[in-house]
Amino acid sequence: NAGVTQTPKFQVLKTGQSMTLQCAQDMNHNSMYWYRQDPGMGLRLIYYSASEGTTDKGEVPNGYNVSRLNKREFSLRLESAAPSQTSVYFCASSVPNQPQHFGDGTRLSIL
Amino acid sequence: QQQVKQSPQSLIVQKGGISIINCAYENTAFDYFPWYQQFPGKGPALLIAIRPDVSEKKEGRFTISFNKSAKQFSLHIMDSQPGDSATYFCAASIIKAAGNKLTFGGGTRVLVKP
Repeated sequence: NAGVTQTPKFQVLKTGQSMTLQCAQDMNHNSMYWYRQDPGMGLRLIYYSASEGTTDKGEVPNGYNVSRLNKREFSLRLESAAPSQTSVYFCASSVPNQPQHFGDGTRLSIL
Repeated sequence: QQQVKQSPQSLIVQKGGISIINCAYENTAFDYFPWYQQFPGKGPALLIAIRPDVSEKKEGRFTISFNKSAKQFSLHIMDSQPGDSATYFCAASIIKAAGNKLTFGGGTRVLVKP
């Protein structure tokens, strides 16, 4: 019962480097989401995919791109990492009218 | 602009006491209000949720109270236990909107002292 799996769990990047965060779910959920969590600010939505083949911007999309590779996988890419993108990134998935299920996060530090 | 405001930021309570966390929202279109519990190193997990057609929902030691006219809702943890020590987030969404996007409060770190 894996649920939502995120890789890697930890990563350190230098400013300007690029990186892709991976997320996969095995619950046959239609919708997938990427959030970032910063102290005192809760979780903020970066991008979401309501269904396979669609993606939309959330509250804080600048500096990120996403790809809904198939129904199971939703990746988040940082093309040119900046220190302001140091955060904990969470992927989630859901079906309509049901709660979102979260992975355990990727802790990303950008120096 | 934070559409869901949560207070307090942190809370210390003795074992057996009551923990109370409050949230206020601005968007009257919100119609689903979940609470998530998060332990260190883990993702948030759904604890309890409420729709605005009811004023209170109880599940075990956890109760949500909802005041639609005041646009406020709260989480009460009765008989708090050390295992309840975690960060709690309130959230809100429009459940029929595409993707059911959640807007989160800033979180409350709860410490239950034995």
